[in-house]
Amino acid sequence: KQEVTQIPAALSVPEGENLVLNCSFTDSAIYNLQWFRQDPGKGLTSLLLIQSSQREQTSGRLNASLDKSSGRSTLYIAASQPGDSATYLCAVPSGGGADGLTFGKGTHLIIQP
Amino acid sequence: SQTIHQWPATLVQPVGSPLSLECTVEGTSNPNLYWYRQAAGRGLQLLFYSVGIGQISSEVPQNLSASRPQDRQFILSSKKLLLSDSGFYLCAWKHSSYEQYFGPGTRLTVT
Repeated sequence: KQEVTQIPAALSVPEGENLVLNCSFTDSAIYNLQWFRQDPGKGLTSLLLIQSSQREQTSGRLNASLDKSSGRSTLYIAASQPGDSATYLCAVPSGGGADGLTFGKGTHLIIQP
Repeated sequence: SQTIHQWPATLVQPVGSPLSLECTVEGTSNPNLYWYRQAAGRGLQLLFYSVGIGQISSEVPQNLSASRPQDRQFILSSKKLLLSDSGFYLCAWKHSSYEQYFGPGTRLTVT
């Protein structure tokens, strides 16, 4: 059974800092990994999808890397802004049907102005 | 462009009452559809998925059921709600790419 762990559970940093969020998964036989953002009381916004053939994916100030062999992914946020405050979730295919996802519990990020 | 809708946005229901949550997707055809639940202090859990009209698969045994009466409509139901059914219910869709897209969610409180 696939399990996903995200560290740290919470993080508070001053504006402008670069930061790294970590995600690990137990079954390395995945074909992609997806990072999401969730604002309080809202649905999930897809940030980045990394295919297993890729080692990293970039979107603006966000960069996600994937190391299947070690069962790890990192989300790098450059020059953090208060608007980046949210919960960041990592998800991988659960191995069941139709590509249902298994999620970590997320990292709650606060960027202090 | 594709859009996913969920309603209602919030719902407060007594224990033992029925439930019907609806999800519709616009701008795509024959998507995979998913229901997830996010309970307090727990991660998102996949409840049901559907690859086509009338085709429903359940990931966990529970008090809930799902139906897909039309290609872009996915419904989550219960005949009698339990306190443990409280949570944030999210519908998602996926087409040819692997990326899943989520709706705005329904906050259900069972009292």
